[in-house]
Amino acid sequence: GQNIDQPTEMTATEGAIVQINCTYQTSGFNGLFWYQQHAGEAPTFLSYNVLDGLEEKGRFSSFLSRSKGYSYLLLKELQMKDSASYLCAVRDNRRGYNKLIFGAGTRLAVHP
Amino acid sequence: ETGVTQTPRHLVMGMTNKKSLKCEQHLGHNAMYWYKQSAKKPLELMFVYSLEERVENNSVPSRFSPECPNSSHLFLHLHTLQPEDSALYLCASSQDLSSGGANEQFFGPGTRLTVL
Repeated sequence: GQNIDQPTEMTATEGAIVQINCTYQTSGFNGLFWYQQHAGEAPTFLSYNVLDGLEEKGRFSSFLSRSKGYSYLLLKELQMKDSASYLCAVRDNRRGYNKLIFGAGTRLAVHP
Repeated sequence: ETGVTQTPRHLVMGMTNKKSLKCEQHLGHNAMYWYKQSAKKPLELMFVYSLEERVENNSVPSRFSPECPNSSHLFLHLHTLQPEDSALYLCASSQDLSSGGANEQFFGPGTRLTVL
């Protein structure tokens, strides 16, 4: 079967660092995505990992370990505007196309 | 307009009504998707289109009927819905259906649907 787990909620302090974990079990793995979704808005693409290791993009970094079925999103120098839901998604290409399977999302609250 | 747009943003309908959701992408993409997002649940893929051809119907009830007249427009026709169909309906597009590279999906803001 397919299963993606991430914490439901997290809180952090402005200026701090937070790590949001995601574990997955799926066949046909072909990449892992992180999206950010502010309340009432569209999910927006943050990062993509297909090989093991760390991808850094400004204040955000994403890590992948395919052997462990594990990823994390690291947010540095947190700002109030980072309060949002963070969605982990795995691409499953068993059907031969760009199919994303999403986790339920982690709601992050950043407080002063 | 840029990106992916959806109308209406909010919709309230009775169980006997017929309504349609509209999605338009201004990115020159060839693939479009409908997702359902219910509270505290993962996004559920409903339909996938590539160059106006339906590629996937993810076991969606027939009261939801998609239409893709061209690669820029996608509709979701609704009829005789149930209260449990109340959710946020998101449209997305990607360059194509390939799994090479990121080929990330770009989402619209969604239509918040309430079925009474």
